Amino acid sequence: GENVEQHPSTLSVQEGDSAVIKCTYSDSASNYFPWYKQELGKRPQLIIDIRSNVGEKKDQRIAVTLNKTAKHFSLHITETQPEDSAVYFCAGSFTGGGNKLTFGTGTQLKVEL
Amino acid sequence: GAVVSQHPSRVICKSGTSVKIECRSLDFQATTMFWYRQFPKQSLMLMATSNEGSKATYEQGVEKDKFLINHASLTLSTLTVTSAHPEDSSFYICSARPLRLAGVADTQYFGPGTRLTVL
Repeated sequence: GENVEQHPSTLSVQEGDSAVIKCTYSDSASNYFPWYKQELGKRPQLIIDIRSNVGEKKDQRIAVTLNKTAKHFSLHITETQPEDSAVYFCAGSFTGGGNKLTFGTGTQLKVEL
Repeated sequence: GAVVSQHPSRVICKSGTSVKIECRSLDFQATTMFWYRQFPKQSLMLMATSNEGSKATYEQGVEKDKFLINHASLTLSTLTVTSAHPEDSSFYICSARPLRLAGVADTQYFGPGTRLTVL
């Protein structure tokens, strides 16, 4: 089955700096890659997603890049703010897999003032 | 749009009792709902995939007789934890995938989760 690895497990940045979280996946058939933000005790919230037919997608301060050949994708957050502090999960799924999401292990992002 | 509710948000029960958790898609229809379990400081682990009108598909290692799933309508799925034990204490989260073209990998929207504590 699909395996998704995520790095780093913790990331601390100064307010205003950029943060980058990287994920790799094992199944070359994977074609959908969402990113979720989860605050303590709350639901995961979709912040951005990308499909395998594009290499990059951007939404204001958030961007995701995908390298299908290398089977890795990354989340980029620019001009970080304290409210960006949370746990971020990457995930992957593929059409033939029943749309099941396989999640990465999560990254605890802390934005310091 | 794409709001998923879950009830109850928190439950404390005695060992040996059963607990039912409801997951509802409020403003869309969902042929497929998913149930996850999340332990503290860990990732989301898929327990089962619930399809409306058919039996749920369980992930390896998840006991189907212990975690009963029913998906009776396009907006409601339930998870019943039977004969709960302290090790079942966890954060249970459902998600729903909007009804769209079949076979398209698509967005899942998550419920707020249910914190289960078994004494």
